[in-house]
Amino acid sequence: DAGVTQSPTHLIKTRGQHVTLRCSPISGHKSVSWYQQVLGQGPQFIFQYYEKEERGRGNFPDRFSARQFPNYSSELNVNALLLGDSALYLCASSLAGEGTEAFFGQGTRLTVV
Amino acid sequence: KQEVTQIPAALSVPEGENLVLNCSFTDSAIYNLQWFRQDPGKGLTSLLLIQSSQREQTSGRLNASLDKSSGRSTLYIAASQPGDSATYLCAVIRGGGADGLTFGKGTHLIIQP
Repeated sequence: DAGVTQSPTHLIKTRGQHVTLRCSPISGHKSVSWYQQVLGQGPQFIFQYYEKEERGRGNFPDRFSARQFPNYSSELNVNALLLGDSALYLCASSLAGEGTEAFFGQGTRLTVV
Repeated sequence: KQEVTQIPAALSVPEGENLVLNCSFTDSAIYNLQWFRQDPGKGLTSLLLIQSSQREQTSGRLNASLDKSSGRSTLYIAASQPGDSATYLCAVIRGGGADGLTFGKGTHLIIQP
């Protein structure tokens, strides 16, 4: 079975632009979460979606938004990009939303110039 | 607010040694604790998940323990190998999971051949 897949793997954007990152969870998993990891730090929680509904949101500005589709795949959108948004964006999937084991994708490396 | 601390921040040991990585968390009201491995520039690989009702989990040369009351977990790696070189991350999640995983900054491990 395929693991968690994220696309694209790398992305370079200019300040002020908008970006969309995509994630496909493991087959049968209904929960998707997004994390931001800057160099030298642990990942920071951005959003959790379960059964297409937002179940949790971390301490990120409203420029960050996400959604989950009927097939449980997910998109993370970031508007008005800042240099500080440069990071590795990680998607995690799990069977359910109640703290079950999380499996991560390889991430999308976003560079804002 | 939950805070996770990992000690040491970096560790370099010769091949074949047994070693212990430490993780502490400030809020003992956790649902589970998960240990991950991260290779440079890559996503996270789940190593072990310990439910809050469990004391330890084992997988091959890895053993993780959890003392929820004292807010501590340890990851024991037996007979270390150069392929074990990576950053090891500890993460906890509260009941409900709406806050997502809270990560430490990781322990950067180098196993010298």
